[in-house]
Formats: sequence, C-alpha cells, structure tokens
Amino acid sequence: GENVEQHPSTLSVQEGDSAVIKCTYSDSASNYFPWYKQELGKRPQLIIDIRSNVGEKKDQRIAVTLNKTAKHFSLHITETQPEDSAVYFCAAGYSSASKIIFGSGTRLSIRP
Amino acid sequence: GAVVSQHPSRVICKSGTSVKIECRSLDFQATTMFWYRQFPKQSLMLMATSNEGSKATYEQGVEKDKFLINHASLTLSTLTVTSAHPEDSSFYICSARDPQGDTEAFFGQGTRLTVV
Repeated sequence: GENVEQHPSTLSVQEGDSAVIKCTYSDSASNYFPWYKQELGKRPQLIIDIRSNVGEKKDQRIAVTLNKTAKHFSLHITETQPEDSAVYFCAAGYSSASKIIFGSGTRLSIRP
Repeated sequence: GAVVSQHPSRVICKSGTSVKIECRSLDFQATTMFWYRQFPKQSLMLMATSNEGSKATYEQGVEKDKFLINHASLTLSTLTVTSAHPEDSSFYICSARDPQGDTEAFFGQGTRLTVV
C-alpha cells in the first residue's frame, strides 16, 4: 500500500520568511496530492492540492510542486504570517473517491 | 460546498462499554467513507474504509471485531468502538469524497473519545 513520509516534523521560521515542507510517496499509481492544515482539536482543512498531470500549482502565498519521477512533492509558504502556525499534513491517493494516506505532519511555528 | 457531519464531538465512557460514532455526508451520496484515528501530536492513521451495502475494508493491524463499521445508507456510516479500554482514547475522524464532484476529501468535526 501507499506510504507517505514527511519532513521536517517541526519547523520554526521568522515571520515574513518562507517555509518549505517535503513529502515522498511510494505508490507510483497515486495521482492526487492534497495538503491539509490542522489546528488543535479541529478537523483538517484542505489548503491546496495537485494532481499528477501538473508539476506546480500556486494559490496566493501557497504553492505546491510535484516530481512524479522522484515521487516527491513539496509545500511552499511565502511571506509567512502568525496565522500560518499550525500542523500541516501532506497526503497521497487516487483522484477517484478512494482512500487518502497522510504523512506524519509538520508543526510549523512562525516567530514574530 | 459538500459537508460531512460527525456526532458526537466528545464522549466519555467507562471501560468495557461500547461507543457509537456517526458520520453523515450532507450534500452528496457517499458509497465509501473513511475512518481515521489520531493520537495526540500524531498523524491521521487510516483505520478502515466503509463501503455502502458491504463489509468494511480494514487496514492492517486494525481489529475489525473491536471497531465495528456499518454503512447502511449512502449518507451514513457508523463506527462502534466495542469493549472500550483507556488505550482506545483518541480523536476519531471520518472523511468522504463526493464521487460526482471534485476529488477533495471532506472531514467530519471529529470525535474526542475518552475511556475512563
């Protein structure tokens, strides 16, 4: 089955700087890669996703890149703000309505 | 947009008792739903896939007789934790993806289970 690895487990950046979180996946058939933000005790919220037919996607301060050959994908947050502090999860699955497997999570802290 | 609702949000039960958690898709029909468990400061671990009208598919290491899943309709899946023990205390969260819509997975609010 699919296995998703995520690094780093914790990340602290100065407000205004960029943050990068990296993930790898094992199932070459996976073609859907969402990123979630989770605040304490809350449900995960989708912040961006990418499908395997594109290599990069951007939404304001957030961007995701995908390298299918290497089976890794990354989340980039630019101009970080205090409200970006949360736990971020990458995930991988199929674009059909099937299961999604999560990475181990990254606790992002933004220093004022 | 599509919404998944989960109930209850919090439950405390005594050791040895059973607890049922409900997950409903409000805006779409879900032939499959997914149950995850999340321990503090850890990731969401997939427990099982709930299949409407048939048996659930459990992930390796998850006891199917302890975590009973029923998906009797296209909008409702239930997870029953049977003979609960303190080590079952966790955050349980369900998810569903609209087969007719975009591929986004929608999550319920989660259920904080505490077994005392």
